[in-house]
Amino acid sequence: GAGVSQSPRYKVAKRGQDVALRCDPISGHVSLFWYQQALGQGPEFLTYFQNEAQLDKSGLPSDRFFAERPEGSVSTLKIQRTQQEDSAVYLCASSERAAMWDTQYFGPGTRLTVL
Amino acid sequence: GQQVMQIPQYQHVQEGEDFTTYCNSSTTLSNIQWYKQRPGGHPVFLIQLVKSGEVKKQKRLTFQFGEAKKNSSLHITATQTTDVGTYFCAGDTGTASKLTFGTGTRLQVTL
Repeated sequence: GAGVSQSPRYKVAKRGQDVALRCDPISGHVSLFWYQQALGQGPEFLTYFQNEAQLDKSGLPSDRFFAERPEGSVSTLKIQRTQQEDSAVYLCASSERAAMWDTQYFGPGTRLTVL
Repeated sequence: GQQVMQIPQYQHVQEGEDFTTYCNSSTTLSNIQWYKQRPGGHPVFLIQLVKSGEVKKQKRLTFQFGEAKKNSSLHITATQTTDVGTYFCAGDTGTASKLTFGTGTRLQVTL
């Protein structure tokens, strides 16, 4: 079956613009995660959904970052008034069960460049 | 907060040599996972360890979880060019609802 997909794969934004990044998890997966990966670093947790409920958003760096998963499948990460420090790869991952320790399947990521 | 460090940051080996990366957590982990990320790619799950002292093998890869559940290692025997990539450990404490990824070890293998 299809894996996790993300769109767009690449996004260039001017500082101050709003962006929306989409994640399509594996069908039927309960858990969905967003991570931010800076160049040469490991993925850093942003937020976690169990179905449509956002159970943990402690990793979101500021109130400019907002994520939703309204129907418990597709998720959107929105960044308002982008700043240069937001430039990174944004990874989405899903897992079958509602457990943080479950295997996470990552999408290809969206590379965001803020000019 | 929880920190997960890996050493070395980078290792360059010749094909056929062995390779080991070490992962150390500042807090006790309930489980640890290992991921591989190829250049330009995304992290791919390799394995999960749960029990203290657990050792698991996948062909040329050997994974170990420390007795205190605060450290782990990945050993690759007789590396191949297909092993090139960055290896991340990731752990959760069981109380926080998130995985904390390590700093990663980038492996380069040349002929």
